[in-house]
Amino acid sequence: AQSVTQPDIHITVSEGASLELRCNYSYGATPYLFWYVQSPGQGLQLLLKYFSGDTLVQGIKGFEAEFKRSQSSFNLRKPSVHWSDAAEYFCAVGPTTSGTYKYIFGTGTRLKVLA
Amino acid sequence: GAGVSQSPSNKVTEKGKDVELRCDPISGHTALYWYRQSLGQGLEFLIYFQGNSAPDKSGLPSDRFSAERTGGSVSTLTIQRTQQEDSAVYLCASSKYSTEAFFGQGTRLTVV
Repeated sequence: AQSVTQPDIHITVSEGASLELRCNYSYGATPYLFWYVQSPGQGLQLLLKYFSGDTLVQGIKGFEAEFKRSQSSFNLRKPSVHWSDAAEYFCAVGPTTSGTYKYIFGTGTRLKVLA
Repeated sequence: GAGVSQSPSNKVTEKGKDVELRCDPISGHTALYWYRQSLGQGLEFLIYFQGNSAPDKSGLPSDRFSAERTGGSVSTLTIQRTQQEDSAVYLCASSKYSTEAFFGQGTRLTVV
């Protein structure tokens, strides 16, 4: 069965520092991969997606993610974090041709940004 | 509409009452999903619609939960005889051809 693991429940970084949020997935083929962000009291906003092709994908708000097939990873990065980036981040695997209809989410990583 | 719309945004109900949560997906999106997010938890899949059919309703936690979709558009999630453990944020998402999913703002349900 497909699964998504986000090993870090909480991460704290200083404003201006770089950020990397980890995501590992379990699936036999290359799935559709996503990162979403959720601010308090809000729904989920799509940051970026990977379907195929270039393994480094750019998203909104200065975020990027790199797909590494050998490590089954899709880590999210940002070179310089802003205070407004404080939120919860979810990695997800999308529906597949094998008949899984749903998006499967990791448990999320809560980001705290220190001024 | 421009995005996925959910109503109400907040709902407080007494234990044992029935509630209906509404989702209005992005126009043209054939796929619609309901998820539940409990306090401090991740997203729990409830049900998936393709058009008006629900090929996957495996996440509905009990027979108190049901959902329907009409006209390939609006969906309603109904919880009968609500319990305190039903308190959560209920999120709806839609997608076109099951690519990226777009989420609504959610309905925060509190059962007292």
